[in-house]
Amino acid sequence: DAGVIQSPRHEVTEMGQEVTLRCKPISGHNSLFWYRQTMMRGLELLIYFNNNVPIDDSGMPEDRFSAKMPNASFSTLKIQPSEPRDSAVYFCASKIAVYNEQFFGPGTRLTVL
Amino acid sequence: GDSVTQMEGPVTLSEEAFLTINCTYTATGYPSLFWYVQYPGEGLQLLLKATKADDKGSNKGFEATYRKETTSFHLEKGSVQVSDSAVYFCALSVGGTYKYIFGTGTRLKVLA
Repeated sequence: DAGVIQSPRHEVTEMGQEVTLRCKPISGHNSLFWYRQTMMRGLELLIYFNNNVPIDDSGMPEDRFSAKMPNASFSTLKIQPSEPRDSAVYFCASKIAVYNEQFFGPGTRLTVL
Repeated sequence: GDSVTQMEGPVTLSEEAFLTINCTYTATGYPSLFWYVQYPGEGLQLLLKATKADDKGSNKGFEATYRKETTSFHLEKGSVQVSDSAVYFCALSVGGTYKYIFGTGTRLKVLA
């Protein structure tokens, strides 16, 4: 099993640019999560999808952030326009809804200059 | 609200020392409890879990017991190795919900 796949692994961009992070969940998993990890705030849940439908986006910081899940095998997190305070590691995780264990991807380290 | 509190790090130990990382929680209902480990440059991996009171989770020499009376889930290992150096996260999930509540993480450094 390939595990959760995220791309890119590292992204460096300039303030004001659009950034798109990508996630492929584990096949057969129908729940998907986007998290943000920073030293100051720890691990924060940004958005949760179940069966490709956004269920809880209360953690999305502001309108500059958007997430989509067009099908069961792909999700994107977009930041437009990006700001230096968005610099963080962004994790995608997936699970089978009836079980509690979440499987995390390797993360995307985003640096906004 | 639900919360997880874990001891602040960093924790620095010599190889073969005994490890304890404290974790306490508050939750409505009956949570499942987890320890995740994050190695440098990687995502979080499930280390062990316990789903009801008095359950003991164990994996790779690590153990934690779900203590309802003290609302704790302390992580222990009898003899740490350099390869155990990582950040350890305690987490809970209230039954039937999707949300995890993570602790702030405890960095462990093991010296040879």
